[in-house]
Amino acid sequence: AQTVTQSQPEMSVQEAETVTLSCTYDTSESDYYLFWYKQPPSRQMILVIRQEAYKQQNATENRFSVNFQKAAKSFSLKISDSQLGDAAMYFCASLTGYSTLTFGKGTMLLVSP
Amino acid sequence: NAGVTQTPKFQVLKTGQSMTLQCAQDMNHNSMYWYRQDPGMGLRLIYYSASEGTTDKGEVPNGYNVSRLNKREFSLRLESAAPSQTSVYFCASRGGAYSPYNEQFFGPGTRLTVL
Repeated sequence: AQTVTQSQPEMSVQEAETVTLSCTYDTSESDYYLFWYKQPPSRQMILVIRQEAYKQQNATENRFSVNFQKAAKSFSLKISDSQLGDAAMYFCASLTGYSTLTFGKGTMLLVSP
Repeated sequence: NAGVTQTPKFQVLKTGQSMTLQCAQDMNHNSMYWYRQDPGMGLRLIYYSASEGTTDKGEVPNGYNVSRLNKREFSLRLESAAPSQTSVYFCASRGGAYSPYNEQFFGPGTRLTVL
């Protein structure tokens, strides 16, 4: 069975600063995908960034980037130049096999002016 | 393109009542999913349908049934609601040209309260 662990229930950052959210996962599969989803107060699940396990290069989407350490099974999310609109719950998730996602319990990100 | 739609958005039930949550997607996706989200628990998979005509149990299937009505629609039924089923329910879909990187697209969720 897959597991995804987010060890930080809550993180705080000031506007324009950088914050890193941690995620570790456990899978026996060799082919898998990793995702970060954002859930603002509206409840909508929004895909932030994805990483294919076979790619060594870390994914980047504008101010969002990941640090993918395959051997350590670590997949952290870095948010640069944080904005008030980044405040949300962030979920790390892994996808293998029959395309079912396993989610971590989430990290609440607070952004202060 | 509406994406993934869910009805209703909110529902209050009494213990023992039944209801069906509806989900539809217009992206021609093959796979559809039902999750529940509880505080501090993340999202957990209830049932999924890898393709039209197939359904499989996820992590927490007890107390639920599903129907893949056609390629577009995937419903979740609570036959006899219990307070433990109070949760936010999300439908998602995946597959085809709209999700070449295997991501799932989520509906807006249904907040269900069972008294």
